[in-house]
Amino acid sequence: DGGITQSPKYLFRKEGQNVTLSCEQNLNHDAMYWYRQDPGQGLRLIYYSQIVNDFQKGDIAEGYSVSREKKESFPLTVTSAQKNPTAFYLCASSSPGLAGGQNEQFFGPGTRLTVL
Amino acid sequence: KQEVTQIPAALSVPEGENLVLNCSFTDSAIYNLQWFRQDPGKGLTSLLLIQSSQREQTSGRLNASLDKSSGRSTLYIAASQPGDSATYLCAVSPSSGGSYIPTFGRGTSLIVHP
Repeated sequence: DGGITQSPKYLFRKEGQNVTLSCEQNLNHDAMYWYRQDPGQGLRLIYYSQIVNDFQKGDIAEGYSVSREKKESFPLTVTSAQKNPTAFYLCASSSPGLAGGQNEQFFGPGTRLTVL
Repeated sequence: KQEVTQIPAALSVPEGENLVLNCSFTDSAIYNLQWFRQDPGKGLTSLLLIQSSQREQTSGRLNASLDKSSGRSTLYIAASQPGDSATYLCAVSPSSGGSYIPTFGRGTSLIVHP
């Protein structure tokens, strides 16, 4: 089955620790995205990548880092510089449209990160 | 900058009602519009995708319409069921601008009670 997997489902972080959230897709999509979701705030874009070995900052990139070494994988690291990391993190992917734009976006099941 | 608004923010209806969720956007230069469903603690599930050249899309009891000129889309749910209870989000993808990043609304939280 094609889709997007995220792991772990739940993650607990101590103050000062870096943690890495995994996102893998087997949809052969070029573009991948990381969003953060907080109650009452909607989805906010952290980073996105439109092609392997390239990525761009989104609206709230501070305290986060990513890599895109493989088409299938787009891991997100939450660093100790992120002061309020407790949130629900969603990964998504899409393919480019024929005339610009992006086609249908698909999401993974999410990772809930809690800072202890 | 594209802004997407969803009204109402919350809706509670009895089972069996037909209902309409609204999504409005400020920039009509869109590539497509997508409706999602999100259950508590879960990821987003794609319901319907409408290309900019289309007027509507249907899937089962769901029908989504698009009026680019007025910057509006509606999601119509026929004969609502308790299992339809979820948050519904719309997202608009731009047709220009280089990054083609979708803009999301904040969603409509729907409760269908028996």
